[in-house]
Amino acid sequence: AQSVTQLDSQVPVFEEAPVELRCNYSSSVSVYLFWYVQYPNQGLQLLLKYLSGSTLVKGINGFEAEFNKSQTSFHLRKPSVHISDTAEYFCAVSYRKTSYDKVIFGPGTSLSVIP
Amino acid sequence: DTAVSQTPKYLVTQMGNDKSIKCEQNLGHDTMYWYKQDSKKFLKIMFSYNNKELIINETVPNRFSPKSPDKAHLNLHINSLELGDSAVYFCASSQVSRTDTQYFGPGTRLTVL
Repeated sequence: AQSVTQLDSQVPVFEEAPVELRCNYSSSVSVYLFWYVQYPNQGLQLLLKYLSGSTLVKGINGFEAEFNKSQTSFHLRKPSVHISDTAEYFCAVSYRKTSYDKVIFGPGTSLSVIP
Repeated sequence: DTAVSQTPKYLVTQMGNDKSIKCEQNLGHDTMYWYKQDSKKFLKIMFSYNNKELIINETVPNRFSPKSPDKAHLNLHINSLELGDSAVYFCASSQVSRTDTQYFGPGTRLTVL
């Protein structure tokens, strides 16, 4: 069975400091990896995704993530956070389940940027 | 232009009532989804439709019935509402492929009293 773990449910960080949000997954089939962000009272929107090729993926708003197959991880990083980055961040995996595609979301990490 | 829209944004109702949430996407996508987000922000897929055909039906009570009149619309009807149904419900859409981004609506906050 496929699963997604985000070990940190809450991450407080000071403005302009770097941040890393961790994501690990477990899967018996090949997966594609995504990070979504949910700003307060809004729907989710894509930050970045890894499909193939370079394991370092750059996304919107200065975020990047690195796919590590041996560690089954896809951690999200930003070198300097802003107040506006305060949001909920979701890691997700998609895979082929028998005859259809499925996406599983992790439990989310709440990033709070402190002025 | 709003890509994925949902109505209503807020829904407050009494236990036992029946309610519907509407969703429309103008992205030309083939697949639409309903998700439930609980108070701890956990996001769980409920249903997925591809070209009006039900693809995914997770372990959702049969009080919940999705209806897709065409591939741009996926409505969610809920019968006999219970306190535990209180949550934020998100509609989303994507192309068929599992490599594609899902585009989410703004959510409908359902409160059952």
